[in-house]
Amino acid sequence: DVKVTQSSRYLVKRTGEKVFLECVQDMDHENMFWYRQDPGLGLRLIYFSYDVKMKEKGDIPEGYSVSREKKERFSLILESASTNQTSMYLCASSLQGAGVSSYEQYFGPGTRLTVT
Amino acid sequence: AQKITQTQPGMFVQEKEAVTLDCTYDTSDQSYGLFWYKQPSSGEMIFLIYQGSYDEQNATEGRYSLNFQKARKSANLVISASQLGDSAMYFCAMREYSSGNTPLVFGKGTRLSVIA
Repeated sequence: DVKVTQSSRYLVKRTGEKVFLECVQDMDHENMFWYRQDPGLGLRLIYFSYDVKMKEKGDIPEGYSVSREKKERFSLILESASTNQTSMYLCASSLQGAGVSSYEQYFGPGTRLTVT
Repeated sequence: AQKITQTQPGMFVQEKEAVTLDCTYDTSDQSYGLFWYKQPSSGEMIFLIYQGSYDEQNATEGRYSLNFQKARKSANLVISASQLGDSAMYFCAMREYSSGNTPLVFGKGTRLSVIA
């Protein structure tokens, strides 16, 4: 079974703190993704990575950075947390298909981050 | 412009009845894939069904089927014989293949409530 794990289910941080959200997958997937989920807005892509040390901006990268030093691990970093970053953060991974691919993205359980 | 549109923020259905969740998409790619995910209140994202743009037959997986109308750019999810456990958020998503590795783009979701 594919497993995507996230370091915390719930996290409370103060404004201005540096926050690390960790994601690990155990299926040797090339692709990894970070989304945030907010009510009424669905899932919005923050960053993704298709290889070690590679990263691509998603739709809402502002205020975030990422790190992928090992294939199985993809970290999301909030350099200086702000209250508008209070959200559910979902990590996902997938195989890297060539051309048309039905490979789905496997998701972690999510981290609910509250910034006060 | 929104690539995935789910026009029903919330839906109710009687147990054992069938229900259709709407999804329209926007793409100029000829090659793309459509995915549906379920998110129960526990928060995990569960992959349900996939339809490729070149698939001639509508996809089916157990009680789930995808009503794919390519000319209308719609990919509605049909759940037959609804069960109380089907109460959840449902997300439609798309991947375009012309640019190689692309992440899934999600709609805003539909909250389905199954009534006994």
